[in-house]
Amino acid sequence: AQTVTQSQPEMSVQEAETVTLSCTYDTSESDYYLFWYKQPPSRQMILVIRQEAYKQQNATENRFSVNFQKAAKSFSLKISDSQLGDAAMYFCAFSGNTGKLIFGQGTTLQVKP
Amino acid sequence: GAGVSQSPSNKVTEKGKDVELRCDPISGHTALYWYRQSLGQGLEFLIYFQGNSAPDKSGLPSDRFSAERTGGSVSTLTIQRTQQEDSAVYLCASRFLWGEQYFGPGTRLTVT
Repeated sequence: AQTVTQSQPEMSVQEAETVTLSCTYDTSESDYYLFWYKQPPSRQMILVIRQEAYKQQNATENRFSVNFQKAAKSFSLKISDSQLGDAAMYFCAFSGNTGKLIFGQGTTLQVKP
Repeated sequence: GAGVSQSPSNKVTEKGKDVELRCDPISGHTALYWYRQSLGQGLEFLIYFQGNSAPDKSGLPSDRFSAERTGGSVSTLTIQRTQQEDSAVYLCASRFLWGEQYFGPGTRLTVT
């Protein structure tokens, strides 16, 4: 069975600074996808970034980038130039070929002005 | 176009009652997923539909939970004889082929 672990329940960052959220996973599958989702207090889950396991290049979306270490089964999210609107719960997630998502426990990110 | 919608947005019910939660996916999306988000269990997968069939029901916590999807569109999650531990936010998501999943705003269920 696949598992996803986020070891940081809460993180804090100063506005305009950089923060990294950690995620590790376990799977025996060779083809899979990894995701970071953002969930603000509105409850709406928003996809931040997606990484295909077969791609060696780390995904990047504007201020968001990942460090994907396949052998170590690690998938961290880096947020650069943090903004107040980045404050939310962040979930790391795994999916195999059916698309069903296995989520980590979440990390609450606080952004200080 | 319209996103995934869920109704009701909030539902309060008495223990032992049955509830139905509805999900309207994005038009044309072939796959539909139900998840549950609770304080104790985090975000859990419940069931997955491909078209009208459910190849993976492995996340349904008990036989009190069932779901159906009709016309390859709307899905209903039914919880019979609700218990307090069923209190949670129920999220629905849909996707087209291998694209990303789009989530609805969720239904907050409170069992008193």
